[in-house]
Amino acid sequence: AQSVTQLDSQVPVFEEAPVELRCNYSSSVSVYLFWYVQYPNQGLQLLLKYLSGSTLVKGINGFEAEFNKSQTSFHLRKPSVHISDTAEYFCAVSDLYNFNKFYFGSGTKLNVKP
Amino acid sequence: DGGITQSPKYLFRKEGQNVTLSCEQNLNHDAMYWYRQDPGQGLRLIYYSQIVNDFQKGDIAEGYSVSREKKESFPLTVTSAQKNPTAFYLCASSKRRGSTQETQYFGPGTRLLVL
Repeated sequence: AQSVTQLDSQVPVFEEAPVELRCNYSSSVSVYLFWYVQYPNQGLQLLLKYLSGSTLVKGINGFEAEFNKSQTSFHLRKPSVHISDTAEYFCAVSDLYNFNKFYFGSGTKLNVKP
Repeated sequence: DGGITQSPKYLFRKEGQNVTLSCEQNLNHDAMYWYRQDPGQGLRLIYYSQIVNDFQKGDIAEGYSVSREKKESFPLTVTSAQKNPTAFYLCASSKRRGSTQETQYFGPGTRLLVL
């Protein structure tokens, strides 16, 4: 089974600063990678996903992520954050051996300060 | 508008009571899922269903039951055997069964509280 690690439970950052939210997964077999965002008391919304091809993936709201197979990482980045980006972010992984099953990280709370 | 609806938004359970959380989707998705979310623990899979009249246990199925009588509906019952039910419950669906590449789309969630 996969495990997904989001090392930072909380990330405070000032508005207009860059941010990186880290995600590492356990297995080097073929994986599919997802980032979701959750606003308070709401469901999860897909930000971006990596299935194959270019390792740099662009998503909604100006976010991007880079798949690094050798480091088994899929870090999420944004060059300039806004107050409205304050939310919790989840990394998720699926693989060839567990159909339809997603493994989620424990989440990172991004707190954007004015 | 296509999407996933969950009801109620808040649910209160008395000790020893069974309660049912509703999940409906009009996306024509084959697969549906139930997750439990606790603070600092991310999402944990309770049950999932890839086709009507079939479902499988996830990682924390004890104390829960589901049914899948219709493609668009996947209700979750929290039974009295679930001793710590207070959590945020999320329903999700994905287009095709048996595919690892499919995005899971989430409903708005139900918060269950114990009286």
